[in-house]
Amino acid sequence: EAQVTQNPRYLITVTGKKLTVTCSQNMNHEYMSWYRQDPGLGLRQIYYSMNVEVTDKGDVPEGYKVSRKEKRNFPLILESPSPNQTSLYFCASSFRAINYGYTFGSGTRLTVV
Amino acid sequence: DQQVKQNSPSLSVQEGRISILNCDYTNSMFDYFLWYKKYPAEGPTFLISISSIKDKNEDGRFTVFLNKSAKHLSLHIVPSQPGDSAVYFCAASEGGGADGLTFGKGTHLIIQP
Repeated sequence: EAQVTQNPRYLITVTGKKLTVTCSQNMNHEYMSWYRQDPGLGLRQIYYSMNVEVTDKGDVPEGYKVSRKEKRNFPLILESPSPNQTSLYFCASSFRAINYGYTFGSGTRLTVV
Repeated sequence: DQQVKQNSPSLSVQEGRISILNCDYTNSMFDYFLWYKKYPAEGPTFLISISSIKDKNEDGRFTVFLNKSAKHLSLHIVPSQPGDSAVYFCAASEGGGADGLTFGKGTHLIIQP
């Protein structure tokens, strides 16, 4: 089944404790991206990657890192999480150009206390 | 500054009637528009899209209309069904979408029996 898999689905952590949210896709998509969804703000892009070893900042990259060492994986790293990073995170992938439409993962609910 | 606006947080429609979801944008460089549907505890799923060179695109019960001069698009669902109850996000991209999608805040559509 073609899908984008995120782990974990739920995570509660403490301020400052480094964490990684994994994202993997099995569709051989070149384009991958991370979004966060907050009440009243919709979906905002954090980082994106057009291909292996190519990453770029989205609209809200502060406090996040990403890497794209393999085509299928695009982990999101929070080196020192803070409470304002409490959010619902979505990974998405697309075959090449965005205009094909993203396939989204099921989301990761992160709470930073 | 919000470039994609969905001014109705929620919309209630009777089953069998037409649902019309609206979206406005401010960035005249946007050249591709997409609608996503999201159920609770799931990632958004791609619904329908339209290029700026068109003013209408139809797919089954779903039709998207684009009015470039007014910077306005709308999604029509006819007839509305209970399974259409979800949050609908309008999104836009420019130049092939390499920089990702800009999303609106979403409209919660409720289909009443």
